[in-house]
Amino acid sequence: GQSLEQPSEVTAVEGAIVQINCTYQTSGFYGLSWYQQHDGGAPTFLSYNALDGLEETGRFSSFLSRSDSYGYLLLQELQMKDSASYFCASAPYNTDKLIFGTGTRLQVFP
Amino acid sequence: NAGVMQNPRHLVRRRGQEARLRCSPMKGHSHVYWYRQLPEEGLKFMVYLQKENIIDESGMPKERFSAEFPKEGPSILRIQQVVRGDSAAYFCASSPKTTGVGKNIQYFGAGTRLSVL
Repeated sequence: GQSLEQPSEVTAVEGAIVQINCTYQTSGFYGLSWYQQHDGGAPTFLSYNALDGLEETGRFSSFLSRSDSYGYLLLQELQMKDSASYFCASAPYNTDKLIFGTGTRLQVFP
Repeated sequence: NAGVMQNPRHLVRRRGQEARLRCSPMKGHSHVYWYRQLPEEGLKFMVYLQKENIIDESGMPKERFSAEFPKEGPSILRIQQVVRGDSAAYFCASSPKTTGVGKNIQYFGAGTRLSVL
C-alpha cells in the first residue's frame, strides 16, 4: 500500500523558519509534491521534487532523499498568512492520481 | 482565465436522497480527478477521468457512487441514497496532459461541502 506520514501540527512565530517532514512508503515512487490548504479553501500546488536535493521557490523550499524515503517542506520568514494545512503527495506507479499525506496544520503566531 | 469551477459550494441532502456534484476543469485541461476530504483529514483519491473515459476508479466506493465526464459539459460525481457518512468536502482537480513522469500538478476547485441530515 501507499502511505505518507506527517506530523499533525506545528506551531511557530512570525519571521521564524519551520520544517514540515514527510516520510513515505510507496511502490514505484516517482517524486514528492507539496500542497497548501487554508481552512475552507482549495489545495494549491507549492513544489515538486523528482530528484534528491533541495528545490527553492521564494520563501518555500522542498527537499527529498529517496534513500531515506523522506522529504520536507521548509518555510522561511513565516507570515501569518502561512497558517494553513500542508500536505505531501505522491503519484505511485506512474499513475496520475495523487496519494496525499496525513497533513500538517501550521499555526503561525505573532 | 477561470480556474476549476465546482458547484454547488454547499449541498444539503436528507438521508436517501441523491447528490450531484459538478466540476468544470480549467480551460485546456483534459484530466479530471475527484477527491474526498473528511474533517481534519487528508484528501482521499476517488476517481480519475478523461473525456468519456474512466481511467482509474480504485478509490470509489463500489455502491452508490458514480462519476462521468461527458464529451460536452462538466464532470459529475453522483451519490445515490446518501447516508450521514457521506458528509464531507468533495474536491475536483484538473490537469493538462501529464507533465512528465510522476510530476502531475493538479489544480483544485474550491470544493463542494456535502452535509447529509
